[in-house]
Amino acid sequence: GDSVTQTEGQVTVSESKSLIINCTYSATSIGYPNLFWYVRYPGEGLQLLLKVITAGQKGSSRGFEATYNKEATSFHLQKASVQESDSAVYYCALSADLPGTGSNRLTFGKGTKFSLIP
Amino acid sequence: GPKVLQIPSHQIIDMGQMVTLNCDPVSNHLYFYWYKQILGQQMEFLVNFYNGKVMEKSKLFKDQFSVERPDGSYFTLKIQPTALEDSAVYFCASSLAGRDEQYFGPGTRLTVL
Repeated sequence: GDSVTQTEGQVTVSESKSLIINCTYSATSIGYPNLFWYVRYPGEGLQLLLKVITAGQKGSSRGFEATYNKEATSFHLQKASVQESDSAVYYCALSADLPGTGSNRLTFGKGTKFSLIP
Repeated sequence: GPKVLQIPSHQIIDMGQMVTLNCDPVSNHLYFYWYKQILGQQMEFLVNFYNGKVMEKSKLFKDQFSVERPDGSYFTLKIQPTALEDSAVYFCASSLAGRDEQYFGPGTRLTVL
């Protein structure tokens, strides 16, 4: 089945430094899945950060970027300069549309918790 | 932004009992989803629901599970009877169309004793 693997556990970075969270995927149910980054801020529900549905394209939001690399089957999340408000758990995900129904399911990674080095 | 609500936030029940988890989706959304997350593991798809019917379900969606949304009220996940391995956080999501962004609720933590 489909799977998503991302940087495990926790990542800590100093304020104003760059952040990268790795994500690779395997999509057996569909050739070119849609790719997503979701984020859960402390005390809040899961929300979409960015998505890319076309291979080779880059998505961006709130200073974060991710490029859909179909050759490497990767969708790494990067930010050039992090701040306290970026502290959250980040989830990489893919969706596989069910042909003929217009419905889709999301396959998630385990999540990566980011926080600033105190 | 649009909000999905889930009731209750935490439910503790004895094994073998029935439980109903409630989801209040975004008002004009037409597609509804349940996901399950066991502690320390990733969130996994259970089922999606549209126009009164299950569109797709995963292997995790056991025969003891059922979903419905009677007359536009709550979208519910019922487990009858519950088992110890059903202990998890259950997340509801909704979307306007099948390929649109899914909006997630805060989750219901189910503990089966």
